[in-house]
Amino acid sequence: QQQVKQSPQSLIVQKGGISIINCAYENTAFDYFPWYQQFPGKGPALLIAIRPDVSEKKEGRFTISFNKSAKQFSLHIMDSQPGDSATYFCAASTSGGYSTLTFGKGTMLLVSP
Amino acid sequence: EAQVTQNPRYLITVTGKKLTVTCSQNMNHEYMSWYRQDPGLGLRQIYYSMNVEVTDKGDVPEGYKVSRKEKRNFPLILESPSPNQTSLYFCASSRLPYNEQFFGPGTRLTVL
Repeated sequence: QQQVKQSPQSLIVQKGGISIINCAYENTAFDYFPWYQQFPGKGPALLIAIRPDVSEKKEGRFTISFNKSAKQFSLHIMDSQPGDSATYFCAASTSGGYSTLTFGKGTMLLVSP
Repeated sequence: EAQVTQNPRYLITVTGKKLTVTCSQNMNHEYMSWYRQDPGLGLRQIYYSMNVEVTDKGDVPEGYKVSRKEKRNFPLILESPSPNQTSLYFCASSRLPYNEQFFGPGTRLTVL
């Protein structure tokens, strides 16, 4: 049973456009929602994360929007640049006990020049 | 420099030949984890460790073993590799599982 569903699987956006990646989760106990960015040949690296006490978190051109009632969260990349071309993973976790991160299947983003 | 290192980075082996992929972190993190990454399947957790001598199965533990005898090291052992274990493997560490996880550079394993 996939606990975090991510869409789309791949995305092509023109330079300057907005990239939007969506994730939905099932476990209402999840309370930590990070996004990881992975460039080819590298390990994933934390991009931005949110906890459910806020509905939005912005860091530069990257914004997480969180909808607790719908059990959905999304990553918005404003003014997308070719250097943003990477694979993006959403993830979710509870913040206690023997919790572990559950990852979505990833979205391959290509920003065309 | 804070980092997670993995060795080897690339490995081609044959079915049934035992192998070990090493993972080491220099950040004094309690939590370490192994993932495999396959096209279309994302990152799937193999095993994780909350601290020394404390390990537990992740989502896809079959065919793998781990040990955590020291805080900094978390080797992944394939006792009898099979072709379906051909994959890209990542080790990660963090202070707690719900903190930022730091990933190693990956080990690309091919089992013939």
